[in-house]
Amino acid sequence: DAGVIQSPRHEVTEMGQEVTLRCKPISGHDYLFWYRQTMMRGLELLIYFNNNVPIDDSGMPEDRFSAKMPNASFSTLKIQPSEPRDSAVYFCASSQSAPGSQETQYFGPGTRLLVL
Amino acid sequence: KNQVEQSPQSLIILEGKNCTLQCNYTVSPFSNLRWYKQDTGRGPVSLTIMTFSENTKSNGRYTATLDADTKQSSLHITASQLSDSASYICVVLQGTYKYIFGTGTRLKVLA
Repeated sequence: DAGVIQSPRHEVTEMGQEVTLRCKPISGHDYLFWYRQTMMRGLELLIYFNNNVPIDDSGMPEDRFSAKMPNASFSTLKIQPSEPRDSAVYFCASSQSAPGSQETQYFGPGTRLLVL
Repeated sequence: KNQVEQSPQSLIILEGKNCTLQCNYTVSPFSNLRWYKQDTGRGPVSLTIMTFSENTKSNGRYTATLDADTKQSSLHITASQLSDSASYICVVLQGTYKYIFGTGTRLKVLA
């Protein structure tokens, strides 16, 4: 398996523009997670899905952020409109089992977002 | 307040030496604790996961310990290598789905 695939790897955009980040989880993994990482705040969980259904979105910072998982092999994280403070590295991860088990999450390479 | 604190923030050691990273948490209810290694420019990679009943777990040269009474965990790296240079992140699962993250320890191993 190619692991978790994210695109694009880098994104530079201007404030106010819409940004869409994409993720393909590992085949057979029922859980998908979106994280954001910054120097100031470290790693933060934004939202996670189980079988394409959002389970916990309490980490989504505000209404400008939305995430979808239309099928088991694809998810998007959208920011509209984007702001400079959204600049960060966004990671997608997937796992076979629920968070309460001793599951291993496999992370993608991340998307480095810069909002000017 | 549910928190995970890691120390030191950064550490420099010589190749071949051992080191220990600390993680103290005030998270309740506690489900499990995991250590991640994150190389620069890459996603985190899981090293160990421990539940309440486990007090030690090894992964090669990495050994994690957990003291649920004092709410402390440590990650011990034996015979460090240049490739161990990375950030190490401690994460505690609160309840069934809430992750609490530490800010990480940045380790640099020098030749």
